[in-house]
Amino acid sequence: SAVISQKPSRDICQRGTSLTIQCQVDSQVTMMFWYRQQPGQSLTLIATANQGSEATYESGFVIDKFPISRPNLTFSTLTVSNMSPEDSSIYLCSAKEAANSPLHFGNGTRLTVT
Amino acid sequence: RKEVEQDPGPFNVPEGATVAFNCTYSNSASQSFFWYRQDCRKEPKLLMSVYSSGNEDGRFTAQLNRASQYISLLIRDSKLSDSATYLCVVNGGSYIPTFGRGTSLIVHP
Repeated sequence: SAVISQKPSRDICQRGTSLTIQCQVDSQVTMMFWYRQQPGQSLTLIATANQGSEATYESGFVIDKFPISRPNLTFSTLTVSNMSPEDSSIYLCSAKEAANSPLHFGNGTRLTVT
Repeated sequence: RKEVEQDPGPFNVPEGATVAFNCTYSNSASQSFFWYRQDCRKEPKLLMSVYSSGNEDGRFTAQLNRASQYISLLIRDSKLSDSATYLCVVNGGSYIPTFGRGTSLIVHP
């Protein structure tokens, strides 16, 4: 199964700044996703990262706030822009090799916005 | 109705007990199904896939009922180390994974 490296693993940021999270997969994967998980909550899908084109965002998430890149089949970034304390959460990169394959996760980025 | 629903628990059971979790899904076009385990402050990890014929992995048994649109996970002979949150995941018609909110299991001595 794919091994996913995500960095940074944690960060503390000031409001109004931006943070870019990187996700590297050790093999080519069909689909990559970005999730957010707030304390005590389940995972919420932010967007599907599409290779070579704009990401597909879920309801409540917009490109200006969460720009995503996916330049190839093994790498993606998520930027959390103009951060506020409400953005404090765990952000998880995930990928799967094929449409019906299980999802694999990076170890997450724990973001705290002060 | 939420796409994937789970009883959040917590389920509090003694070591050695058998415990079962259920998960229902709303999209009849869903293609594939999984159970994940998530430990506190860690990322979810795949526990097992779920097949229509049912499948077993050691103390864990997963079953799928397409007609009633639910999946189940049975854990036999619970261990302290089984304490975690168990997440039901369903790949919908577009193959985008949708997560249940998770069921918390606490196994006590």
